[in-house]
Amino acid sequence: DTEVTQTPKHLVMGMTNKKSLKCEQHMGHRAMYWYKQKAKKPPELMFVYSYEKLSINESVPSRFSPECPNSSLLNLHLHALQPEDSALYLCASSPGTRVGSNQPQHFGDGTRLSIL
Amino acid sequence: AQTVTQSQPEMSVQEAETVTLSCTYDTSESNYYLFWYKQPPSRQMILVIRQEAYKQQNATENRFSVNFQKAAKSFSLKISDSQLGDTAMYFCAFVAAGSNSGYALNFGKGTSLLVTP
Repeated sequence: DTEVTQTPKHLVMGMTNKKSLKCEQHMGHRAMYWYKQKAKKPPELMFVYSYEKLSINESVPSRFSPECPNSSLLNLHLHALQPEDSALYLCASSPGTRVGSNQPQHFGDGTRLSIL
Repeated sequence: AQTVTQSQPEMSVQEAETVTLSCTYDTSESNYYLFWYKQPPSRQMILVIRQEAYKQQNATENRFSVNFQKAAKSFSLKISDSQLGDTAMYFCAFVAAGSNSGYALNFGKGTSLLVTP
């Protein structure tokens, strides 16, 4: 069983829809991440939250809007997505928040997103 | 900037045999950490093993071990007694320690490993 829980597991949405991806962890980790992963490719970092504050935004389009309501939850709000945004979206968390940590990131199972 | 190279897109091994996945990296950092992650078809990324660059001793986790050659910037993963459940995509990843190095894991492109009966 994964310690990082992501919902929903699958999501199909139209380009005009608004939806949200959710991620939850109860390991007391203070760093949380969103990654985008295309088939047979490595994950690409999108956002990093450290102590509920956005610390890294890898030039992600504004149609993706992250939110960290508390230390256990991380959301990714989606609006007006494009077909090329179809991918697996992975959430991860880690205990280390200082730059360059040897603490490994724990990943969720991901949300498979399809844009029609 | 750091780069991670996995030169074997696909590999195959028979059950109970040993296989080695290669990974090289390029960095000017002196202190960093290296990881191998496994992603089976079920899609969850699972940490297999990690290595601190300042440690000379190679990390070992049960059937998984690494050959860390710091001077050559090489970090290969050896899987002994391969099992069907080892079938997965394997990613090598690097993170540099240091305030100017960013925080993101730098992933290689991955090696797809198939374990056959």
